[in-house]
Amino acid sequence: GALVYQYPRRTICKSGTSMRMECQAVGFQATSVAWYRQSPQKTFELIALSTVNSAIKYEQNFTQEKFPISHPNLSFSSMTVLNAYLEDRGLYLCGARAGQNYAEQFFGPGTRLTVL
Amino acid sequence: GQQVQQSPASLVLQEGENAELQCNFSTSLNSMQWFYQRPGGSLVSLFYNPSGTKHSGRLTSTTVIKERRSSLHISSSQTTDSGTYLCALERDYNQGKLIFGQGTKLSIKP
Repeated sequence: GALVYQYPRRTICKSGTSMRMECQAVGFQATSVAWYRQSPQKTFELIALSTVNSAIKYEQNFTQEKFPISHPNLSFSSMTVLNAYLEDRGLYLCGARAGQNYAEQFFGPGTRLTVL
Repeated sequence: GQQVQQSPASLVLQEGENAELQCNFSTSLNSMQWFYQRPGGSLVSLFYNPSGTKHSGRLTSTTVIKERRSSLHISSSQTTDSGTYLCALERDYNQGKLIFGQGTKLSIKP
């Protein structure tokens, strides 16, 4: 079956430091990988979307300078939260999809970031 | 305004009652997914339902594109159904970008 793994599941970092999280699709080749964040008391919002043969696209409130993403192949993606502050805390989810149109998106368990 | 609106924001029911959760959207639709969010935060995919009706056990999802709505019906609710339910849609020109609703917090009392 299609599975998405994320590592680490939980992490704590000091304000102003950076942390890296990973996402791996197993059992399928992900044509697109999306990173989402759920801040406390909010719903999920898209950070960036990476699709096959396209550059990584960041949403309006997120930048490559703050959330650099590496996507070396169709199964693996990593994202770093640079210079993390309190407003960056939350649950970061990775969603991967195996098709183009009309394809279900599979999510990993998430990385919960706490910033002290 | 919000492109995806869920209602109600919260719902409290007695065990055994049926639950009806709504998701209305104001943009064009490519796909619709319903998720259950575990207390730890991870998402459980319940339905991938671009249109029509799908069943899974006590759960039923119906998406009516023309009316720009999707619903999740839980019959004979159980205390273990308690939690947050999220709908998410993908617009027809954004491959892989899901827009999430704010969620419905369901509480089933024994």
